[in-house]
Amino acid sequence: GESVGLHLPTLSVQEGDNSIINCAYSNSASDYFIWYKQESGKGPQFIIDIRSNMDKRQGQRVTVLLNKTVKHLSLQIAATQPGDSAVYFCAETQTGDYKLSFGAGTTVTVRA
Amino acid sequence: EPEVTQTPSHQVTQMGQEVILRCVPISNHLYFYWYRQILGQKVEFLVSFYNNEISEKSEIFDDQFSVERPDGSNFTLKIRSTKLEDSAMYFCASSLKGSDTEAFFGQGTRLTVV
Repeated sequence: GESVGLHLPTLSVQEGDNSIINCAYSNSASDYFIWYKQESGKGPQFIIDIRSNMDKRQGQRVTVLLNKTVKHLSLQIAATQPGDSAVYFCAETQTGDYKLSFGAGTTVTVRA
Repeated sequence: EPEVTQTPSHQVTQMGQEVILRCVPISNHLYFYWYRQILGQKVEFLVSFYNNEISEKSEIFDDQFSVERPDGSNFTLKIRSTKLEDSAMYFCASSLKGSDTEAFFGQGTRLTVV
């Protein structure tokens, strides 16, 4: 079946370095993608989104890249901080759909 | 900043009992959702709700589950006869438009079935 998934389950990064979190999706009909951050004991928190008519979108310290050719999504975090330690999920949906399909999540640990 | 609120934060119930999880979505949002997350696993879609009816539901959302918007502010998830495997974090979410717009999640209710 079609699903959203992540390449790596864990990522350890030195404070101040850049982080890259990857996600592969298989539903070619998906046209809206979101990255969520989930801290321990909390709900998913929206970070950034991108629609399929774009290949890059930037926010504050974060950039999302979308490669529709290979169905790949990535989240780049610049100058990673201890507060960035969390589980990061990519999610996909398509216009007119009523649900988000989440990937398995990548646990990011920031080393001081 | 507006937020989705959920109560209770933790619910312990005996197998076979009914539970109602409560949510107050963001006030001007029109679409409401329930998701669940079994410990250590990914977030799974349960059901979406719009215009006082279910828009879509997953295979998980069987006859034991129901949702209701009893008034203008609350959105509830009822599990009629809980099973051990219903133990999970349950998240309510809401969005202004459909799911292809930003969905805001609550902090979750941890349901433990014993």
